[in-house]
Amino acid sequence: AQSVSQHNHHVILSEAASLELGCNYSYGGTVNLFWYVQYPGQHLQLLLKYFSGDPLVKGIKGFEAEFIKSKFSFNLRKPSVQWSDTAEYFCAVNTNAGKSTFGDGTTLTVKP
Amino acid sequence: GAVVSQHPSRVICKSGTSVKIECRSLDFQATTMFWYRQFPKKSLMLMATSNEGSKATYEQGVEKDKFLINHASLTLSTLTVTSAHPEDSSFYICSASSGAGDPKSEQYFGPGTRLTVT
Repeated sequence: AQSVSQHNHHVILSEAASLELGCNYSYGGTVNLFWYVQYPGQHLQLLLKYFSGDPLVKGIKGFEAEFIKSKFSFNLRKPSVQWSDTAEYFCAVNTNAGKSTFGDGTTLTVKP
Repeated sequence: GAVVSQHPSRVICKSGTSVKIECRSLDFQATTMFWYRQFPKKSLMLMATSNEGSKATYEQGVEKDKFLINHASLTLSTLTVTSAHPEDSSFYICSASSGAGDPKSEQYFGPGTRLTVT
């Protein structure tokens, strides 16, 4: 069975700081990886996804993630965070059945 | 982008009663819908996967007789919590996908339903 681990439970940054959120997965087969974001009071929405090809994928709002197969990782990054990036971030792995296994989430708080 | 709605957004029911939660895809046909439960400060726990016109597939540990799922059309799935108890109080989230079983398919999430059982 697949599993997803997000090591940072709560990250607090000042505006303009750089962000990196860790995500490691455990799965023996081909992976499809996603990062979702949940802004306060809103529902989950897709930030970016990786299926194949270039391991560095770019998403909305300046976010990017890098797939490192040898490390089973898919870390999320942003060079300069904004107050509006305050949200809950979830890493997810899709199985062949199309269902997602989610990590426990990372709460990002950006101080203005 | 694709929109998924849930109704109601909040519901309070008495212990022993049943409550139905609806999940609708508003602008696309959802061949697959997923139901999750989200605990405070915890991840989303997948409860079941439903494909239109067929029986739902439940995750291990989820009681299918307690959490009845119906996916009668390509735009509607319902979750009925039967004989609800206080421990069923939680945040229930549905998601919809247009790619049946396609692992590359993006899921579109509903806003969630807060269930409180008194």
